[in-house]
Amino acid sequence: DSGVTQTPKHLITATGQRVTLRCSPRSGDLSVYWYQQSLDQGLQFLIQYYNGEERAKGNILERFSAQQFPDLHSELNLSSLELGDSALYFCASSRQVREGTIYFGEGSWLTVV
Amino acid sequence: GENVEQHPSTLSVQEGDSAVIKCTYSDSASNYFPWYKQELGKGPQLIIDIRSNVGEKKDQRIAVTLNKTAKHFSLHITETQPEDSAVYFCASFSNRDDKIIFGKGTRLHILP
Repeated sequence: DSGVTQTPKHLITATGQRVTLRCSPRSGDLSVYWYQQSLDQGLQFLIQYYNGEERAKGNILERFSAQQFPDLHSELNLSSLELGDSALYFCASSRQVREGTIYFGEGSWLTVV
Repeated sequence: GENVEQHPSTLSVQEGDSAVIKCTYSDSASNYFPWYKQELGKGPQLIIDIRSNVGEKKDQRIAVTLNKTAKHFSLHITETQPEDSAVYFCASFSNRDDKIIFGKGTRLHILP
């Protein structure tokens, strides 16, 4: 158990809908990362937050947004969902920004039908 | 942009044999190289890492080597077992921009 908690574990929703994925980082970790993993694909970096502020942005679609709250948990919002958004979404956390070791949660499986 | 290339994408080895996965990075400021193992339906887990001031590191059956000059690093698994079957990701971290970049992964199959 990495200590990173993600909810929900599984989610099925229809095209056009909006969902929110939630992540609680490890105790004491200030940085949160979001990754997308489609079937048989690698880890696509979406976005990183550090202590509530956006730190880095990757290949995140405009339909997606995220935030990190004062208690350091983070939410990834996915809207106007398309079939191609079906994927495993991972949250990861690290103690500081200048730290290469990140710890992943178990992921949220999103299926768009 | 900076990237990490990982080879092979798929690897099948007989149980008991060794497996080697290789990665190449492009950012000369990279100073930390973690390896992750992802089992089916689970999140990637850190299994071993190496810093740029070290050439090799071992932990039981797994070892990682780093050649800074060539910008190569490799994961070696000896005496492979069925539970080693998974997807393995290499990564490099650069303190130039505090970014971690992942390779595309290697699916390792251990054959009985």
